[in-house]
Amino acid sequence: KAGVTQTPRYLIKTRGQQVTLSCSPISGHRSVSWYQQTPGQGLQFLFEYFSETQRNKGNFPGRFSGRQFSNSRSEMNVSTLELGDSALYLCASSSGGTSGKREQYFGPGTRLTVT
Amino acid sequence: AQSVTQLGSHVSVSEGALVLLRCNYSSSVPPYLFWYVQYPNQGLQLLLKYTTGATLVKGINGFEAEFKKSETSFHLTKPSAHMSDAAEYFCAVIITGTASKLTFGTGTRLQVTL
Repeated sequence: KAGVTQTPRYLIKTRGQQVTLSCSPISGHRSVSWYQQTPGQGLQFLFEYFSETQRNKGNFPGRFSGRQFSNSRSEMNVSTLELGDSALYLCASSSGGTSGKREQYFGPGTRLTVT
Repeated sequence: AQSVTQLGSHVSVSEGALVLLRCNYSSSVPPYLFWYVQYPNQGLQLLLKYTTGATLVKGINGFEAEFKKSETSFHLTKPSAHMSDAAEYFCAVIITGTASKLTFGTGTRLQVTL
């Protein structure tokens, strides 16, 4: 099975711009979660989508949004970029369920640099 | 709120020595616990997980961890370190019923020396 893929792998944007990141989960997986990784704040949960619905949300401002398509692919969008948004954005997929037992498989991440 | 604490941001061991990475959790309900590894410029890879049942959990690459409720700990061990184990290790927790929301510790960077 192919793993989780994220595109693009690297991105450079300017303050004030917006950006869209894409994640394709493992075939058959219906849950996609997004995480932000920075040296200062570590790994932080952004949100989770399951069957095209946002099921969980972290403590991020409304500039961070996401969506999931019928084929389970997911996108996250960051509007009005700030320097502090520079981070590695990781996507994880799992087969779903609400218990949390199922493994999450992570993609290689998208490295976003805001200048 | 649930959280995990990893003691030691950097750990250095000699090749062949015991690896011990510490993780303590706080949770008012039984948690699910995970250890992930991250190699440079890569995503996270699951090493092992504890959900229910046997408290000693074996994972990939010779790693194992023991869930100790009385000590609220889930330390990661490997009997003999290999150079390829050098990476960053993250302990994480999911509170039952919150689906896929992982809460991560701050990570421990493992250095393996000759």
